[in-house]
Amino acid sequence: GAGVSQTPSNKVTEKGKYVELRCDPISGHTALYWYRQSLGQGPEFLIYFQGTGAADDSGLPNDRFFAVRPEGSVSTLKIQRTERGDSAVYLCASSRGGTTDTQYFGPGTRLTVL
Amino acid sequence: AQSVSQHNHHVILSEAASLELGCNYSYGGTVNLFWYVQYPGQHLQLLLKYFSGDPLVKGIKGFEAEFIKSKFSFNLRKPSVQWSDTAEYFCAAHPSGSARQLTFGSGTQLTVLP
Repeated sequence: GAGVSQTPSNKVTEKGKYVELRCDPISGHTALYWYRQSLGQGPEFLIYFQGTGAADDSGLPNDRFFAVRPEGSVSTLKIQRTERGDSAVYLCASSRGGTTDTQYFGPGTRLTVL
Repeated sequence: AQSVSQHNHHVILSEAASLELGCNYSYGGTVNLFWYVQYPGQHLQLLLKYFSGDPLVKGIKGFEAEFIKSKFSFNLRKPSVQWSDTAEYFCAAHPSGSARQLTFGSGTQLTVLP
């Protein structure tokens, strides 16, 4: 069966540009999560959606970061005015939505800001 | 603040050696605990999880972990490693209840020599 997919797999951009990263969760999963993984670190939580609404966005580092999930399926993470420090692997995960349900991770998007 | 610590950054073992990877967490209340694995070129996969009940949890591929509440630990073990176990291992946690976002440790790179 299809897992979580993320596009693009790699994104290279210049400082100050705008980028969008896309996540396609497993069909039927109501919960969707974004994490960011910097080199040599574990993933760090960014934002969590339950359905269409952001249930917890406490991990977004600043107002340059924004995410949407308008129809409760695909989600887009948007980063404005990118900075070199935004370079990382951005991971998406989805789950059925219960508190004990496993989060299934996608392959990630490697973002490089030059 | 909630945190997860993994003491070993890189572990090198020979095939058939026994494995124990340390994980400690810092949380105020009850916690759900996880071990994820990332094989070279692949995405994060769940090895095992603990929510409640028997503190000795068995996962896939012969891995197990023991929750020791008094030590705030959730160490991962395998009696005899194989070359195919070479991967990065992440311990993660989230508070029991409504919170879903995972807090990850920094990971342990395991290299198994044939």
